[in-house]
Amino acid sequence: DIVMTQSPDSLAVSLGERATINCKSSQSVLSSSNNKNYLSWVQQKPGQPPKLLIYWASTRESGVPDRFSGSGSGTDFTLTISSLQAEDVAVYYCHQYYSAPLTFGGGTKVEIK
Amino acid sequence: EVQLVESGGGLVQPGGSLRLSCAASGFTFSTYWMNWVRQAPGKGLEWVANINQDGSAKNYVDSAKGRFAISRDNAKNSLYLQMNSLRDEDAAVYYCVGDVGWLPRYWGQGTLVTVSS
Repeated sequence: DIVMTQSPDSLAVSLGERATINCKSSQSVLSSSNNKNYLSWVQQKPGQPPKLLIYWASTRESGVPDRFSGSGSGTDFTLTISSLQAEDVAVYYCHQYYSAPLTFGGGTKVEIK
Repeated sequence: EVQLVESGGGLVQPGGSLRLSCAASGFTFSTYWMNWVRQAPGKGLEWVANINQDGSAKNYVDSAKGRFAISRDNAKNSLYLQMNSLRDEDAAVYYCVGDVGWLPRYWGQGTLVTVSS
């Protein structure tokens, strides 16, 4: 099984400042057949179901603000919120869809400082 | 608009059974992989199972193997999860999730399963 490890568990950032979340997979999620990383980021706001933000490690889902960006390849990935807004308060999960069992990171809670 | 609506959750005793359903609309259901993902109270997300477009391929997390069965009825645009021999640790909100691949693109609102005597 591919283990997804996120850091930090939580972070508090001032409005307008940058938030950075890291995710490491225990095995590469980069496919040699299509050169794509099978890594997504989902956002879960309080009391709501999760919502897809980023897929293929760096492709923003339709409608997602461009302050959200994803980067990385192989086993190391980052989600960056370039200028934190109040509506970004949520738990963020990385997720590998490269191989079964599909797995999620433990989540990172983002709050306003 | 894609809609996934789960139902069938409720209170069940340890060792009991429950069948969850997910009604899909707004897309061609028969072209999507479908998943069940759960979230225990106050905890993170855990993928449970998925099924391919025609139901010929299924995958499960180890804790679900032999107890849970995922199935679908493309004529009814519906996904199911039969859960048997339920344990305390199966208590969670269960989400129906789908996309053309394994990507968790579309999520339902979830249905709550409580396991308690």
